[in-house]
Amino acid sequence: ETGVTQSPTHLIKTRGQQVTLRCSSQSGHNTVSWYQQALGQGPQFIFQYYREEENGRGNFPPRFSGLQFPNYSSELNVNALELDDSALYLCASSSIDVNNSPLHFGNGTRLTVT
Amino acid sequence: DQQVKQNSPSLSVQEGRISILNCDYTNSMFDYFLWYKKYPAEGPTFLISISSIKDKNEDGRFTVFLNKSAKHLSLHIVPSQPGDSAVYFCAARGYNTNAGKSTFGDGTTLTVKP
Repeated sequence: ETGVTQSPTHLIKTRGQQVTLRCSSQSGHNTVSWYQQALGQGPQFIFQYYREEENGRGNFPPRFSGLQFPNYSSELNVNALELDDSALYLCASSSIDVNNSPLHFGNGTRLTVT
Repeated sequence: DQQVKQNSPSLSVQEGRISILNCDYTNSMFDYFLWYKKYPAEGPTFLISISSIKDKNEDGRFTVFLNKSAKHLSLHIVPSQPGDSAVYFCAARGYNTNAGKSTFGDGTTLTVKP
């Protein structure tokens, strides 16, 4: 069973730039979610994708966008980066077909915006 | 308004003793609760869960208790081991809400001393 993998592990960007983070879901999972974890806080839900469409969104502005591909891998794109976007970005997969399925997280991408 | 709160940022216990981690929630629509454990440089991993139709769930050394009237849950670890030292997150979601849309607390850092 292949777990959730994320790339890159670390990234440094300048304010105003754009960034793309990547995630490969765990095999057998059809739903992918993205979370932002700021220092000292818990993960905050950004959005979820199922069948290549956004299926729920948290309190994040439209400059946060995503994609899910037919192989269930996913991208998180953030435009016009702000200093407050500095955080750990976590990707998680699950199966929408399994009742009460927990989230399976990757190790995250640490984004620093300067 | 934080809907899931873990009021103790840290907890230190002696090896072999009981660890009790607490979590409070405010949203009465939450009906499924999970605990995740996170080691440094790794993503959170699922530990144990409980549905609102139960008040207790056990898995080996880990037991979760749910008090719906108080909107409170707790995680008991007995006996505690040094390898249990990690950050523990409480998470909640609503009925028929799939795993992706979970609400997390800010975590409690558990240190188990040998």
